[in-house]
Amino acid sequence: AQSVTQLGSHVSVSEGALVLLRCNYSSSVPPYLFWYVQYPNQGLQLLLKYTSAATLVKGINGFEAEFKKSETSFHLTKPSAHMSDAAEYFCAVSRERDDKIIFGKGTRLHILP
Amino acid sequence: EAGVAQSPRYKIIEKRQSVAFWCNPISGHATLYWYQQILGQGPKLLIQFQNNGVVDDSQLPKDRFSAERLKGVDSTLKIQPAKLEDSAVYLCASSPGVGAAKNIQYFGAGTRLSVL
Repeated sequence: AQSVTQLGSHVSVSEGALVLLRCNYSSSVPPYLFWYVQYPNQGLQLLLKYTSAATLVKGINGFEAEFKKSETSFHLTKPSAHMSDAAEYFCAVSRERDDKIIFGKGTRLHILP
Repeated sequence: EAGVAQSPRYKIIEKRQSVAFWCNPISGHATLYWYQQILGQGPKLLIQFQNNGVVDDSQLPKDRFSAERLKGVDSTLKIQPAKLEDSAVYLCASSPGVGAAKNIQYFGAGTRLSVL
């Protein structure tokens, strides 16, 4: 069975500081991994996707994530936080042969002025 | 390209009443999903359609929830009768179902349901 665990339901960073949102996955087969962002009162938007090509994946809005098989992790980072980054972020996993996605519980990112 | 459309955006009902949500996926997307997102949690898949056939409805509470996808395009999710614990955001998503973008789902803005 596949699952993802997001460490920290709330993360606060100062504007301009590094953003690090943690995600660990569990999968018995090579996974596809995703980060989605949800702004208030909106649906989920894909930030980036890992599909077993490059281990460092670049996404939209300056975000990137690194797939580390040895650590079963797929942490999301951004070098410099912006106020507009305040949102809920979801890590998700699916199997390569499958289009069903399992979502984590989410991490709410707060940006401090 | 138009995104996934959902209506209504908000709905308030009393327990034991019925409610219906509508979703129009991105044109040409074969796969359609309905998710339930309870406050503070990630989306939970309720039902997945491939064209007009059900692929997975294992987490759909079938005693009160039903869904259909007429002609393999738009879809309706119904709750009858509603319970307090059904208060949540109901998200619709679609994906091409094939090709390089097979695993990418595109989400609508959701319908926020409050059951009083």
